[in-house]
Amino acid sequence: GAGVSQTPSNKVTEKGKYVELRCDPISGHTALYWYRQSLGQGPEFLIYFQGTGAADDSGLPNDRFFAVRPEGSVSTLKIQRTERGDSAVYLCASSFDLRADTQYFGPGTRLTVL
Amino acid sequence: SQQGEEDPQALSIQEGENATMNCSYKTSINNLQWYRQNSGRGLVHLILIRSNEREKHSGRLRVTLDTSKKSSSLLITASRAADTASYFCATVMNRDDKIIFGKGTRLHILP
Repeated sequence: GAGVSQTPSNKVTEKGKYVELRCDPISGHTALYWYRQSLGQGPEFLIYFQGTGAADDSGLPNDRFFAVRPEGSVSTLKIQRTERGDSAVYLCASSFDLRADTQYFGPGTRLTVL
Repeated sequence: SQQGEEDPQALSIQEGENATMNCSYKTSINNLQWYRQNSGRGLVHLILIRSNEREKHSGRLRVTLDTSKKSSSLLITASRAADTASYFCATVMNRDDKIIFGKGTRLHILP
């Protein structure tokens, strides 16, 4: 079956602009996770959802970052007033539910802020 | 923040040899997982070991966990060129909790 998909695969934007990154989880997976990965580092947790609600958003670095999952499936990570330091690969993962041990990752969106 | 710390940061070995990577963490955990990442993109879950387990096998992979030392090791036997990737340990403190990844070990298998 289809895995986790993320769009776009690459996004180049200018400092100060607004961007949206999309994640389509595996069908039937109720838990969805966002991570950010900088070069040479491991993925850094941002937020995760169980259904439509954010179960833990403690990893969002500041109020410029926001994520939604209005229908409990597709999720959008929104970044306002982008800064050069936001440049990274943004990874999305899904799992059957929060108690599932295995997360399935998408290919990521590489965000470059000029 | 990152809880796990892998050692070494980079490892190059000849094809056919065994590769061992270590992970140390700071707080008590519910489980520890190992992931592989090729070319800096999507991660693939390899194996999970729970806090009450000491050793686990999956194909050419062997994982150990020592909760008293807060450390884990991943052994890949009979390495292949396709094993070239970055390997991350990830810890889960409590059930339903988020996963915290380490910085990873970059493994390069030489032909």
